[in-house]
Amino acid sequence: DADVTQTPRNRITKTGKRIMLECSQTKGHDRMYWYRQDPGLGLRLIYYSFDVKDINKGEISDGYSVSRQAQAKFSLSLESAIPNQTALYFCATSGPGDTQYFGPGTRLTVL
Amino acid sequence: ELKVEQNPLFLSMQEGKNYTIYCNYSTTSDRLYWYRQDPGKSLESLFVLLSNGAVKQEGRLMASLDTKARLSTLHITAAVHDLSATYFCAVDRSNRDDKIIFGKGTRLHILP
Repeated sequence: DADVTQTPRNRITKTGKRIMLECSQTKGHDRMYWYRQDPGLGLRLIYYSFDVKDINKGEISDGYSVSRQAQAKFSLSLESAIPNQTALYFCATSGPGDTQYFGPGTRLTVL
Repeated sequence: ELKVEQNPLFLSMQEGKNYTIYCNYSTTSDRLYWYRQDPGKSLESLFVLLSNGAVKQEGRLMASLDTKARLSTLHITAAVHDLSATYFCAVDRSNRDDKIIFGKGTRLHILP
């Protein structure tokens, strides 16, 4: 089984809809991250969490919110989706040694 | 403002050749990462570099860090086709100002 899982893997939604992307990990890591990837732009950090009670905004947090329900779960929400939030979203974890482990990604399309 | 610049952004090279990808960044870093991404896939962590002078090697890839020059390099030795991928560097300043900034990536195409 994969160490970092994301659901859904693909999602098409409409402008104004609320959507949640979920991430689970079995590595026992404290640190979890949400990134988005756009063609030609690399990855950009949306939010990160160093433990259940520690959540921090990243470079592009506007329009997004997160919830760290447990050490193993970190969810990303778009309260009112807009077309420029169409992107590939990755969850990642890191632990001792700081190596990051990425999930398989969620491809989100906002029409 | 933290900026991370990779060059080249695209590289086509012959098998058996050596080449270096450069990652320049504009301000102090706590960690520097190198990742590999295959088309349509997720990112795979290659190296984490923590301190000045750090050098790490895995197979045909070697990464180094010069914090004084704010430069990291990813050197490819005797390239093989399987190394074709996009390579990203990223600078982590999350302990200082909540920033982890990625370069735009170097798309490497190795010709058989």
